[in-house]
Amino acid sequence: GQQLNQSPQSMFIQEGEDVSMNCTSSSIFNTWLWYKQDPGEGPVLLIALYKAGELTSNGRLTAQFGITRKDSFLNISASIPSDVGIYFCAGTLTGANSKLTFGKGITLSVRP
Amino acid sequence: GAGVSQSPSNKVTEKGKDVELRCDPISGHTALYWYRQSLGQGLEFLIYFQGNSAPDKSGLPSDRFSAERTGGSVSTLTIQRTQQEDSAVYLCASSAEDFDNEQFFGPGTRLTVL
Repeated sequence: GQQLNQSPQSMFIQEGEDVSMNCTSSSIFNTWLWYKQDPGEGPVLLIALYKAGELTSNGRLTAQFGITRKDSFLNISASIPSDVGIYFCAGTLTGANSKLTFGKGITLSVRP
Repeated sequence: GAGVSQSPSNKVTEKGKDVELRCDPISGHTALYWYRQSLGQGLEFLIYFQGNSAPDKSGLPSDRFSAERTGGSVSTLTIQRTQQEDSAVYLCASSAEDFDNEQFFGPGTRLTVL
């Protein structure tokens, strides 16, 4: 099936640093979403993107919908300890009836 | 307001038994989704309900899996004759009709098949 690629699997940063995560696909996606999942919880929606080139911010988070519609990135600025968790990108394909395709996620660790 | 709730939070069962997992979506949300998350993996789509339309069952991995949604609200995912490979976290999400890509997830049910 269609896949969203996220790498690396894990990232380790120092508190206060900025971090950027990328998500790519060989297919064109109509929407891109970024979710964060804490242990034992369901994913929480961070940012939703609907148009190619769209750049959206949510506090310290910024995400962009790539011009080619085959990629997206998420930036976290001035990281804090509570940013730890798994960050998933997700998207919907043309005609996919709103069912989301998820990447495998990136586990972020923040050292105090 | 209340978010998506799921029950039970944990379920341990023996191979071959049937299990039922429940999801209560956000009030007023017309769309409901079930996903499965295996250890270290992303979420795998299982089934999607939207209003009164026929559900999209294209993600169900076998005929042992079924789901229903009663009265356009609560949904039950049933797994018959459970196998060890069914062990995973089963996540439910719901969305409002006009923003159906923005899905809100419940905490999940962790299923362990012994």
